[in-house]
Amino acid sequence: GNSVTQMEGPVTLSEEAFLTINCTYTATGYPSLFWYVQYPGEGLQLLLKATKADDKGSNKGFEATYRKETTSFHLEKGSVQVSDSAVYFCARRNSGNTPLVFGKGTRLSVIA
Amino acid sequence: DTGVSQDPRHKITKRGQNVTFRCDPISEHNRLYWYRQTLGQGPEFLTYFQNEAQLEKSRLLSDRFSAERPKGSFSTLEIQRTEQGDSAMYLCASSLGQTSTDTQYFGPGTRLTVL
Repeated sequence: GNSVTQMEGPVTLSEEAFLTINCTYTATGYPSLFWYVQYPGEGLQLLLKATKADDKGSNKGFEATYRKETTSFHLEKGSVQVSDSAVYFCARRNSGNTPLVFGKGTRLSVIA
Repeated sequence: DTGVSQDPRHKITKRGQNVTFRCDPISEHNRLYWYRQTLGQGPEFLTYFQNEAQLEKSRLLSDRFSAERPKGSFSTLEIQRTEQGDSAMYLCASSLGQTSTDTQYFGPGTRLTVL
């Protein structure tokens, strides 16, 4: 079926550590892929997106590359900060402006 | 630029009562989506509108749930005869709806607690 699987949290890192949150998807056709972030007490915000194979989305030091051959869209950041502590959701959307399908979310805690 | 707003932010009700939530999308956004998020899970799609037309409903949307967008602007989501299993965060999102890559912008959500 169509689904999104992301690594389970929580993930706890020290400040300036390297971050990877894995995300894989199954879908028909060529979906668009997204990472949303939910900071404590706030609503979901789009972090980055990629709409076709080999596209790289980037924002606030985060990056993710659309890998069609491995059906993955892993989120990375070279040096995390305490302010990056949040829940991160991977999502996909099939062609057309259809609803998003989300993963379960990965909670990241960055400690000073 | 005002974002998506939802009202109320919190609702506590007793089992069996009816509740109604409101969502105001970003101005001129044609598409409006409702999602439900339970603890430890990602948001799950409920229904969406293109202007005033309801285009799709998830199997999660039982007959106790109804959503409207009468004038193609704000939307309401009503839950009749609430059950404890309805306790969740109800999220609204909107998008321009003009291309397949449009971004969905989310509101802060309405947290429902059914006692």
